[in-house]
Amino acid sequence: AQSVTQPDIHITVSEGASLELRCNYSYGATPYLFWYVQSPGQGLQLLLKYFSGDTLVQGIKGFEAEFKRSQSSFNLRKPSVHWSDAAEYFCAVAPWGSQGNLIFGKGTKLSVKP
Amino acid sequence: DGGITQSPKYLFRKEGQNVTLSCEQNLNHDAMYWYRQDPGQGLRLIYYSQIVNDFQKGDIAEGYSVSREKKESFPLTVTSAQKNPTAFYLCASSAGQGASDTQYFGPGTRLTVL
Repeated sequence: AQSVTQPDIHITVSEGASLELRCNYSYGATPYLFWYVQSPGQGLQLLLKYFSGDTLVQGIKGFEAEFKRSQSSFNLRKPSVHWSDAAEYFCAVAPWGSQGNLIFGKGTKLSVKP
Repeated sequence: DGGITQSPKYLFRKEGQNVTLSCEQNLNHDAMYWYRQDPGQGLRLIYYSQIVNDFQKGDIAEGYSVSREKKESFPLTVTSAQKNPTAFYLCASSAGQGASDTQYFGPGTRLTVL
C-alpha cells in the first residue's frame, strides 16, 4: 500500500543545534514531495517541495531537504534551530499522475530547549 | 491579501445536529480540498473538488457532504451520520488539478461535539 512514514513522533533539540526530520515513502515511482509546518491551532505552511532535478531543495526559514531515491527518503534539515521553529512538521507526497491527492505522514512534533 | 479563510475558528455542536464549515479562497484556484486532522494521525482527505459543480470523495467521506456552486467557496457539512466528528478541519486549495500543484491551507476550524 502507498504510505508515508515519519518515524519520529517527537524530537527535542537545543536552540542552535542542527535538526534532521526523517520521511520515507512507499510508492512505485518517485512522487512529488512536500514538507509543511504547523504551529499549534493553525493551518499548514509549505516549507519546500521537490519535483525533479537537483536532489537538495532549499525552502523558507532556512530549511532544506534532500531526496534520496535509493532510500525512498526526503529528510528535512536545518543547520541551526531557533526557538520559533518549535511546531509540528508534516511530510506529504502526491503520487505521480494523481489528481492532487496529498498523502500525509503522521507528523513529527519539534520541541526546542533554550 | 490573497488567501484562504475558514469560519468559524471554533464550533460546538450537539449530537444529532448537522453543522456547516465555511471555506473561502480569493486565490482564483480551481481545486479545493477538505482534510480532517486528529492528534497523532496526520491529515486525511474528506472531499476534493477540481472544478465548480464537481467533487469527489476522499478517503473518509462517510458522514460528510460538500457543495461547489462557486469557484471561491467549498463548504463542508458534517452530518449527524458522522460518528466521531470532533476534530480539526482544514481546507486547502491549489491552482490546478495535478499532483505537482501546491496546496495552500486555511487556518482551520476546530469542531467539538458536546
